[in-house]
Amino acid sequence: GEQVEQLPSSLIVQEGASVLINCSYTDSASVYFPWYKQEPGKRLQFIIDIRSNMERKQNQRLTLLFDKKTKHLSLHITATQPGDSAIYFCSASITGGYKVVFGSGTRLLVSP
Amino acid sequence: EAAVTQSPRSKVAVTGGKVTLSCHQTNNHDYMYWYRQDTGHGLRLIHYSYVADSTEKGDIPDGYKASRPSQENFSLILELASLSQTAVYFCASSDRGVNQDTQYFGPGTRLLVL
Repeated sequence: GEQVEQLPSSLIVQEGASVLINCSYTDSASVYFPWYKQEPGKRLQFIIDIRSNMERKQNQRLTLLFDKKTKHLSLHITATQPGDSAIYFCSASITGGYKVVFGSGTRLLVSP
Repeated sequence: EAAVTQSPRSKVAVTGGKVTLSCHQTNNHDYMYWYRQDTGHGLRLIHYSYVADSTEKGDIPDGYKASRPSQENFSLILELASLSQTAVYFCASSDRGVNQDTQYFGPGTRLLVL
């Protein structure tokens, strides 16, 4: 079945820095890739997504890049703030399917 | 107001006991899911449901049962709780249609089995 890998597993940066979170998947049938953010002790919240017919999507300080050929995604966060400190999860899904496979998460800590 | 709620928010159970975790959604979503999250790991799908009175096995269903008595409610049942089932459990819901795969999560239930 589908496997989703995220790297790095953790990141510590200073406020204002940019970060890059990488995600790879194995099943070429996956065509929808939502990302979630989990702040400490809180529920997962959807932050951005991309479909396999796109290469790039931006939402304010978040930019998501998708490479269908290499089965790779990258989430770029610019001008980080302490409020960005959270675990970020990449996930992959087959459109019309209900099963979403999550990566193991990237823990981001932004220090003031 | 939170659209996916879970109860209880935390629970301590004894090995061999029965545990029921409840989830309620007001999103009017057809799909509901139960995941477990272990420290340092992502979420793993236990059971899901796409219609009331029907449940399906996810990736790690062993030791768990699920019940979907209505569109709004989805329960996870541990008939004989074991130490290995200590984890945080998340319920989620999603719609049918274009944004079907975007899931909306509950706040989680922290379960400790002693």
